Amino acid sequence: QVQLVQSGTEVKKPGASVKVSCKASGYSFTGYYIHWIRQAPGQGLEWMGWVNPNNGGTNYAQKFHGWVTMTRDTSITTAYMDLSRLTSDDTAVYYCARVDSSTWSFDHWGQGTQITVSS
Amino acid sequence: DVVMTQSPLSLPVTLGQPASISCRSSQSLVFSDGDTYLHWLQQRPGQSPRRLIYKVSKRDSGVPDRFSGSGSGTDFTLKISRVEAEDVGVYYCVQGTHGITFGQGTRLEIK
Repeated sequence: QVQLVQSGTEVKKPGASVKVSCKASGYSFTGYYIHWIRQAPGQGLEWMGWVNPNNGGTNYAQKFHGWVTMTRDTSITTAYMDLSRLTSDDTAVYYCARVDSSTWSFDHWGQGTQITVSS
Repeated sequence: DVVMTQSPLSLPVTLGQPASISCRSSQSLVFSDGDTYLHWLQQRPGQSPRRLIYKVSKRDSGVPDRFSGSGSGTDFTLKISRVEAEDVGVYYCVQGTHGITFGQGTRLEIK
């Protein structure tokens, strides 16, 4: 079955960077885009961008241009989201989600990774 | 950017009663291929979101048939025919026609 398994909780200091991984299994990794979405405490869902595992192409939400980097390693079917210059506003749960190109919707989600930014 | 507006934002419902959530977009969600990429997600407390409905009205496998989606253009609705305890959570509409945008979420609770 399709699974997206994310890396664990991180606590970072302001100004640091964080890299979250999303290990995919149960399907052809290069056949589906991986998106990243975050959810601040008590808030809604915020789309951050996507990576195309087939060719490494990316598309980021305007807000995140210049401080998010999404990559993938096809040899280990894993996608990554790297966020730099962290502030307390980046404290959130970060999700990876697979998008089915025929529906352009999130059909499978990772379990989420809690990132806390605190001095 | 497309703005997605849900209402109500809070929805107290008695068990066994129907519930309805509205989602409006700031522009038409009909894509050039004729499809409408409007979907509904459910997020139960402490869980990741889960897709319930895709392309307006197609229910995912395993989703009870008490959930239904409808609408067109800019106006969409998620209906639950008879609310059960397991339906508690936050419901989001999300559009994929013009990039990706989420609605603010509607919190369903049992009265």
